[in-house]
Amino acid sequence: DTGVSQDPRHKITKRGQNVTFRCDPISEHNRLYWYRQTLGQGPEFLTYFQNEAQLEKSRLLSDRFSAERPKGSFSTLEIQRTEQGDSAMYLCASSPGAEDEQFFGPGTRLTVL
Amino acid sequence: AQRVTQPEKLLSVFKGAPVELKCNYSYSGSPELFWYVQYSRQRLQLLLRHISRESIKGFTADLNKGETSFHLKKPFAQEEDSAMYYCALSGWGDDKIIFGKGTRLHILP
Repeated sequence: DTGVSQDPRHKITKRGQNVTFRCDPISEHNRLYWYRQTLGQGPEFLTYFQNEAQLEKSRLLSDRFSAERPKGSFSTLEIQRTEQGDSAMYLCASSPGAEDEQFFGPGTRLTVL
Repeated sequence: AQRVTQPEKLLSVFKGAPVELKCNYSYSGSPELFWYVQYSRQRLQLLLRHISRESIKGFTADLNKGETSFHLKKPFAQEEDSAMYYCALSGWGDDKIIFGKGTRLHILP
């Protein structure tokens, strides 16, 4: 499968624990995006990268959230001290460049107990 | 404020009947408008974008700047059209996409 992949697909954690998600974009896609989707809502933008540079962060991305793309390929999204309100589907997307179609991964579903 | 409004959470249409999924937007400037679709157990994918002016799977959408609308239409619904549909926008030169809450389209046999 040459599409965007995300790992894990599901994560259940207890409140207060840290979690990390991984996204592998389509090969040679320079842009990588993170979105969050809660029940009954559309995806909400969190942050995006151009190669390894993080270009924009949403105000939704509190200081408990951090995203990296160290080598300009895969990206990680870490949530520290998880809260029940963090329970959501975390979606990753990639695109060849600016204003190109964004291709979405299957998502990581996070449940915080 | 930048916003996409999809007034219907669920739309049920009989097979062969016309489909119209409504979308209104609020944006200061000239946005680019999209429709995304998510079929059952599949990932979110782009259906169409207004700049391409293509018809995909029989669906079309016309940008009406006066009414700030981008309704999705299909003349004859098919059972395989059952899915979740999201209207979305981005600003020119701004890659983040703002999504509506989505409309679930259910095609009745």
